[in-house]
Amino acid sequence: GAVVSQHPSRVICKSGTSVKIECRSLDFQATTMFWYRQFPKKSLMLMATSNEGSKATYEQGVEKDKFLINHASLTLSTLTVTSAHPEDSSFYICSARDRGQTLGTEAFFGQGTRLTVV
Amino acid sequence: GNSVTQMEGPVTLSEEAFLTINCTYTATGYPSLFWYVQYPGEGLQLLLKATKADDKGSNKGFEATYRKETTSFHLEKGSVQVSDSAVYFCALSDRINEKLTFGTGTRLTIIP
Repeated sequence: GAVVSQHPSRVICKSGTSVKIECRSLDFQATTMFWYRQFPKKSLMLMATSNEGSKATYEQGVEKDKFLINHASLTLSTLTVTSAHPEDSSFYICSARDRGQTLGTEAFFGQGTRLTVV
Repeated sequence: GNSVTQMEGPVTLSEEAFLTINCTYTATGYPSLFWYVQYPGEGLQLLLKATKADDKGSNKGFEATYRKETTSFHLEKGSVQVSDSAVYFCALSDRINEKLTFGTGTRLTIIP
């Protein structure tokens, strides 16, 4: 149980184009999903918290117009990197929590998406 | 605010050696503590957890004990294997919001 699927696992796009990454909870409902960015040999940086049916909450310093987050259902959140540039190349990871989980319990992570902007 | 400090590494050990990766935390209230593992090119997997003081989390031969008095959650394994090579993240979650606070990660390499 508690499987989070992220797609695609790898994507290469041209500079200036937009890329959409999907995060799905396969066997549970997630009212909250989280999007992280991981730089090479670095820890995970929380970008935003995605809330089903409402606007995402972005962390300080993250451009909301560049990283569009949509959480339209209880099992799907999407991250769209708009007008991508080479500096957006990174490993993006989503996580989700079951809506029935107690606060302070673990989150479940997707496999990650390696984005390369050329 | 909450923070997690862990041994930066990289750590290189021989197979069957004893492993310790230190982790200390700062948090308000009584957080839950976690160790996540990331294998190359993959997302994070929960390795073990502890939700209250003196709890011991264990999985796959790894152990960590929630020490409130020293605000620590050190990861240990008695005999590491090559397949344990990965990046290990210490993390905490408070009971106020659902965000996880991560340490910087420790890259572990086990050589045969």
